[in-house]
Amino acid sequence: DARVTQTPRHKVTEMGQEVTMRCQPILGHNTVFWYRQTMMQGLELLAYFRNRAPLDDSGMPKDRFSAEMPDATLATLKIQPSEPRDSAVYFCASGFSTGTGYTFGSGTRLTVV
Amino acid sequence: AQKVTQAQTEISVVEKEDVTLDCVYETRDTTYYLFWYKQPPSGELVFLIRRNSFDEQNEISGRYSWNFQKSTSSFNFTITASQVVDSAVYFCAHQETSGSRLTFGEGTQLTVNP
Repeated sequence: DARVTQTPRHKVTEMGQEVTMRCQPILGHNTVFWYRQTMMQGLELLAYFRNRAPLDDSGMPKDRFSAEMPDATLATLKIQPSEPRDSAVYFCASGFSTGTGYTFGSGTRLTVV
Repeated sequence: AQKVTQAQTEISVVEKEDVTLDCVYETRDTTYYLFWYKQPPSGELVFLIRRNSFDEQNEISGRYSWNFQKSTSSFNFTITASQVVDSAVYFCAHQETSGSRLTFGEGTQLTVNP
């Protein structure tokens, strides 16, 4: 089965450090999402892309978060500088804009101390 | 704005019992899509079903069934003869249009005890 691959699976970093999370969407999928999961907020959308162009990043704290798709096989989510409140599981998902469900990656569990 | 409510935070059942997970949504869209995802203890999100708002037929897949009622804005999920492996958090989600964002409910933690 095709999979969405996220790296790293786990990341522990100190406050103030830069964090980069990577996602390899399923080949051919033209829509890519970044979601964040926390106990308090649940699953919330950070950003998403269609054909590599950003469609909505209103869920992201703009001053510290950035999301890009340098090419069709790679999506990145960067936090600089990281803060303890950024501790969460970050999921990438991909799919077709024309329908069916989205496939989620296994997530990156980020801990900022 | 869309909103999805899963009022049941936690449900605990004994194996072989039937269990229904409730999902109620709010939307101004005339057409939309509804989803269910499963998140087992390993943490990944597993797609279960996508339903178009035009299609109100109930769907059955093995032990899983879904009851979509547009009149009450509900999209409930029933597991028949539950098994321990069904223990997970289940999320209901709404989508405005094909290819757009998913708005998730809070999730229901289902525990199936042997």
